[in-house]
Amino acid sequence: EVQLLESGGDLAQPGGSLRLSCTASGFSFSGYGMSWVRQAPGKGLEWVSGISGSAHSTHYADSVKGRLTISRDNSNNMLYLQLNSLRAEDTAVYYCAKSAGAGNYYYMDVWGKGTTVTVSS
Amino acid sequence: QSVLTQPPSVSAAPGQKITISCSGSSSNIGNNYVSWFHQLPGTAPKLLIYENNKRPSGIPDRFSGSKSGTSATLGITGLQTGDEADYYCGTWDTSVAAWVFGGGTKLTVL
Repeated sequence: EVQLLESGGDLAQPGGSLRLSCTASGFSFSGYGMSWVRQAPGKGLEWVSGISGSAHSTHYADSVKGRLTISRDNSNNMLYLQLNSLRAEDTAVYYCAKSAGAGNYYYMDVWGKGTTVTVSS
Repeated sequence: QSVLTQPPSVSAAPGQKITISCSGSSSNIGNNYVSWFHQLPGTAPKLLIYENNKRPSGIPDRFSGSKSGTSATLGITGLQTGDEADYYCGTWDTSVAAWVFGGGTKLTVL
């Protein structure tokens, strides 16, 4: 069974940093693109970043460019999202999602349960 | 402001059918496949329709998708109370090299 489990969400200060992790299992991890999608309280879905299966290609939403960095460790089936210079508007549930193909432009066919980031002083 | 436009809400009685529209542009819906996701209260989103009109295994044929030009539509027939959820359309936007979503539509089954 394909499973994605996010971790690392926490309460952080404005201007601080966090690293989110996503542990993948049940599929050939390096063969699939991955994305991070967030959802602010009471709001809709916002895609923030994606990475190809090989990690050669990464993409970011304009709203987070320069502050968020996506990466992956294919040896350990792990996806990461480094969040820097945190702002109140980064407060959200962050979901890890698997793409249906090697690029992150494919549809997202499996989603994790999410991890919560709260930015507040 | 979402790149893709959906109605904020739709409602109907059990057994009825509804459609949810999703409007975009040539850089997203017009030249890429559309997916639909549903999100039950307090849970993670789940894939409902992919590549405009295909259903993942386990999704009943009460759910259907279509696309025409720069718009897409989700249809649900034989509404059940368990269908109450938020529904999102999404697709790749070639001009910004990013996934884009609609703002979501809340379905209420009266």
